[in-house]
Amino acid sequence: GENVEQHPSTLSVQEGDSAVIKCTYSDSASNYFPWYKQELGKRPQLIIDIRSNVGEKKDQRIAVTLNKTAKHFSLHITETQPEDSAVYFCAASPYNTDKLIFGTGTRLQVFP
Amino acid sequence: DTEVTQTPKHLVMGMTNKKSLKCEQHMGHRAMYWYKQKAKKPPELMFVYSYEKLSINESVPSRFSPECPNSSLLNLHLHALQPEDSALYLCASSQWYRAGGHYGYTFGSGTRLTVV
Repeated sequence: GENVEQHPSTLSVQEGDSAVIKCTYSDSASNYFPWYKQELGKRPQLIIDIRSNVGEKKDQRIAVTLNKTAKHFSLHITETQPEDSAVYFCAASPYNTDKLIFGTGTRLQVFP
Repeated sequence: DTEVTQTPKHLVMGMTNKKSLKCEQHMGHRAMYWYKQKAKKPPELMFVYSYEKLSINESVPSRFSPECPNSSLLNLHLHALQPEDSALYLCASSQWYRAGGHYGYTFGSGTRLTVV
């Protein structure tokens, strides 16, 4: 079955710097890759997603890149702000299943 | 309406109690999910309902019993739980297509369950 690895587990950056979180997946047939942000005590919220027919997607300060050959995808946050501090989860959805397999999470801390 | 609504927000139950968690969405999504999330861990899939039929049961103990009365509602019936079942229980919904994957995968705010 699909397995998703996520790195790093914690990431501390200065406000204004960029943050990059990387995930690798095992099932080459996976076709959907969302990223979720979860603040303490709250639900995971979808911040951006990408499908397997696209290599890159951007939404303001957030971008996701997908390398299908290497089976990895990354979240890029530019001009980080303290309110970006949260746990970020990547996920992958294997083709022909309605499952969503989550990575282990990255705790991002943005210091003012 | 672009939300998934879960009730109750908090629940404390004894090991001999029977309780139910409820989830509702009005986005027309045909797939609904139950997840369990322990502190500092990712959500862990429990059940998937697709078109009101149970499509995936991730080997969940029978003390958890899901039910999908209609396309907008999802319940999780709890009976004889153990303290280690204490966790945040999240419901989610999406529109899923075999070729395209998920659209609008949305989580509810969760029920924080404590088993005493």
